[in-house]
Amino acid sequence: DAKTTQPNSMESNEEEPVHLPCNHSTISGTDYIHWYRQLPSQGPEYVIHGLTSNVNNRMASLAIAEDRKSSTLILHRATLRDAAVYYCILRKAGGTSYGKLTFGQGTILTVHP
Amino acid sequence: DSGVTQTPKHLITATGQRVTLRCSPRSGDLSVYWYQQSLDQGLQFLIQYYNGEERAKGNILERFSAQQFPDLHSELNLSSLELGDSALYFCASSLTGNTEAFFGQGTRLTVV
Repeated sequence: DAKTTQPNSMESNEEEPVHLPCNHSTISGTDYIHWYRQLPSQGPEYVIHGLTSNVNNRMASLAIAEDRKSSTLILHRATLRDAAVYYCILRKAGGTSYGKLTFGQGTILTVHP
Repeated sequence: DSGVTQTPKHLITATGQRVTLRCSPRSGDLSVYWYQQSLDQGLQFLIQYYNGEERAKGNILERFSAQQFPDLHSELNLSSLELGDSALYFCASSLTGNTEAFFGQGTRLTVV
């Protein structure tokens, strides 16, 4: 499986934007870039995903580099509820590992009031 | 509420015993995934089923087995339990391998 690299931790202040980076230099053409987050004592939660173009939804934006070797999850205005572990995951669109989500260590996001 | 239901929420059992964890996926979802999360290992993929058939396998121990039934619910069976099997076990479901996965709240297994 192609690997992702994320910073171990990041900090932000409430109501400020947060940019969470992810490197995936060995990404293949069939890999979708997925972001999930896990709040304390809860199961992981889907945030956003994309293939080549930037994506927006109600939770966040995903900016994908032109060569697809990196991406950035953008939380436009961080709230205390956004404090979580954020996982950047490459998910294959086909083949025997179709659909499997492989979680790395993720980025622990701390949001200060 | 993700729509994925896992039972039981908590389970305490002794070493050497066998337990069954149950997962009801979101209505209409065909894929079910099982994950183990322990403090030192993070979220580890165990196994995936799609419409009743095993699709992918991770680092699942031979003492563990799973299946997905015709009504699409899934069960994870853990046998000959060891202290190190104590962990949170999550189930997730998705419509296909490309759509978002929804996770349940997990079953916390404690082996004493």
